[in-house]
Amino acid sequence: SQTIHQWPATLVQPVGSPLSLECTVEGTSNPNLYWYRQAAGRGLQLLFYSVGIGQISSEVPQNLSASRPQDRQFILSSKKLLLSDSGFYLCAWRGLAGYTGELFFGEGSRLTVL
Amino acid sequence: AQSVSQHNHHVILSEAASLELGCNYSYGGTVNLFWYVQYPGQHLQLLLKYFSGDPLVKGIKGFEAEFIKSKFSFNLRKPSVQWSDTAEYFCAVIRRSGAGSYQLTFGKGTKLSVIP
Repeated sequence: SQTIHQWPATLVQPVGSPLSLECTVEGTSNPNLYWYRQAAGRGLQLLFYSVGIGQISSEVPQNLSASRPQDRQFILSSKKLLLSDSGFYLCAWRGLAGYTGELFFGEGSRLTVL
Repeated sequence: AQSVSQHNHHVILSEAASLELGCNYSYGGTVNLFWYVQYPGQHLQLLLKYFSGDPLVKGIKGFEAEFIKSKFSFNLRKPSVQWSDTAEYFCAVIRRSGAGSYQLTFGKGTKLSVIP
């Protein structure tokens, strides 16, 4: 069966420091991968999605970037964090074979920037 | 641009009350519709989905949703809520946005609090 892992689960970082959140998927190949940010009362905001290795689409301009160095690995990064980057970040995947449109989410990473 | 509206930000109900959470979307073409749920401290998970066929969809834990195409709506219902239904509920819509690509849009979520 497929599983998705995100880490770290919780992160407290000072302003100006770098960021790396990692997401890996097991049990599937060539998934579509997504990074969302969840804010209270604002729902889920799509940040990046990837349809394959090295292919990244950005939905909103921001201080963050994403990379997909391997088929089942998706990394969210920042060179210098801002206070406004604080939030709850969710990684998700969607399979292509027998497409159903359903997203499967990781457990999330809560980032606090001080 | 495609949008999904969830009209209620926070709903408070007593146990055994009936629930209906509204969801409207703006796209006029073919869409697939979803409701996701996030229980406190847990990850988002699929509650139910509609692709085609019977517009009344049954999901897990006694939830159902009805797709009304003429109203661009996909409201979530449950006849009798339980305290364990306390969670945040997200409506989502996916549509084709080009050859082999899809646009997935989430609503802002509705927080449901069930009072014992």
